[in-house]
Amino acid sequence: DQQVKQNSPSLSVQEGRISILNCDYTNSMFDYFLWYKKYPAEGPTFLISISSIKDKNEDGRFTVFLNKSAKHLSLHIVPSQPGDSAVYFCARRGSTLGRLYFGRGTQLTVWP
Amino acid sequence: DTEVTQTPKHLVMGMTNKKSLKCEQHMGHRAMYWYKQKAKKPPELMFVYSYEKLSINESVPSRFSPECPNSSLLNLHLHALQPEDSALYLCASSQDAKDAYEQYFGPGTRLTVT
Repeated sequence: DQQVKQNSPSLSVQEGRISILNCDYTNSMFDYFLWYKKYPAEGPTFLISISSIKDKNEDGRFTVFLNKSAKHLSLHIVPSQPGDSAVYFCARRGSTLGRLYFGRGTQLTVWP
Repeated sequence: DTEVTQTPKHLVMGMTNKKSLKCEQHMGHRAMYWYKQKAKKPPELMFVYSYEKLSINESVPSRFSPECPNSSLLNLHLHALQPEDSALYLCASSQDAKDAYEQYFGPGTRLTVT
């Protein structure tokens, strides 16, 4: 049961431009979403999160938007930097203690 | 200290070997997790420990045996693994399992079973 879906396996963006990573979810019984970034040979790093009581959460260059009617969230990175090149996973908190459901990830490549 | 450490970084083992993966955190977190990640796939939850007690076992085969000796340490004992068990094994921790949603991951152990 894929609770969160990332339909784009890859995204390529020029440095300085905006990167928009998308995630759809299928179950309305949620309250919390998270974005993680993963470099090769490293563990995922927590980036930013959003609660269902909000539509937007911002942290520096990273902003997450939540559209509850469309069951869609997106991560905006602006301006994009080459160091942002990584795999980005969206995740939602499950109803069971401690469980996170991850999407399949989107490989972001930021080129100079 | 906001780090989760894992040892070893790489491990190659035969199907008859017994080995252990280790994970440590000193953030005072009371929930710890083991995940398995295959190439180009998301992390898959294996086990959750909450306050040093096993609270979730995702129907993981018994050849994987977790252990939580204290609140800072988490081990994964491996025995009689199969080649398909080759993967990146990730440890994570969070403040607790109930109310803290951000999990912090270690760098992982790359396991190869020959």
